Amino acid sequence: TQLLEQSPQFLSIQEGENLTVYCNSSSVFSSLQWYRQEPGEGPVLLVTVVTGGEVKKLKRLTFQFGDARKDSSLHITAAQPGDTGLYLCAGAGTNAGKSTFGDGTTLTVKP
Amino acid sequence: EADIYQTPRYLVIGTGKKITLECSQTMGHDKMYWYQQDPGMELHLIHYSYGVNSTEKGDLSSESTVSRIRTEHFPLTLESARPSHTSQYLCASSGPTGGAAGELFFGEGSRLTVL
Repeated sequence: TQLLEQSPQFLSIQEGENLTVYCNSSSVFSSLQWYRQEPGEGPVLLVTVVTGGEVKKLKRLTFQFGDARKDSSLHITAAQPGDTGLYLCAGAGTNAGKSTFGDGTTLTVKP
Repeated sequence: EADIYQTPRYLVIGTGKKITLECSQTMGHDKMYWYQQDPGMELHLIHYSYGVNSTEKGDLSSESTVSRIRTEHFPLTLESARPSHTSQYLCASSGPTGGAAGELFFGEGSRLTVL
């Protein structure tokens, strides 16, 4: 079984601060996704990274895929209360039919 | 924008009742999934399907069953609900059209409470 560990599990910060969430595994993934989930809703796809070392930017969010395609990070600049939610990483193996989800990072951004 | 729908959004029932959670997608995706999630926690795969008449058990054992008679429809059934089945159930789909491998599109979820 491929496992994905996220850190930190919980993060509470003030508006305007920067933060980084990590997603680590001992397994190699063909692609990795980041999702954001609000309470009572389903996860929404933020980004997919595919190439080792790849960096993708989505406004204030920067996603990086590790060179060995085993880990990833999500960096948020100048966090806003609207960024509050559960952030989930998910890796797709060589058989991309099933994804492995990380245990999630709950982010709270206080005004 | 994803077009995947789940009903009901919320369901409160008594122990022993039979329930069916509906999931439909209009994207023509071959692959569909059911995940179980407790509030703020990780997702656990309980069922998946790679196409019509194909269903498999996921990583987390579940007493629920699924069927895939039509591409767009993937209902989940509990024959006799128990309080331990209380959870949020998320349906998802994925396919080669317009998305990279591994990208999942989720419904809004069905929150089940069994009294």
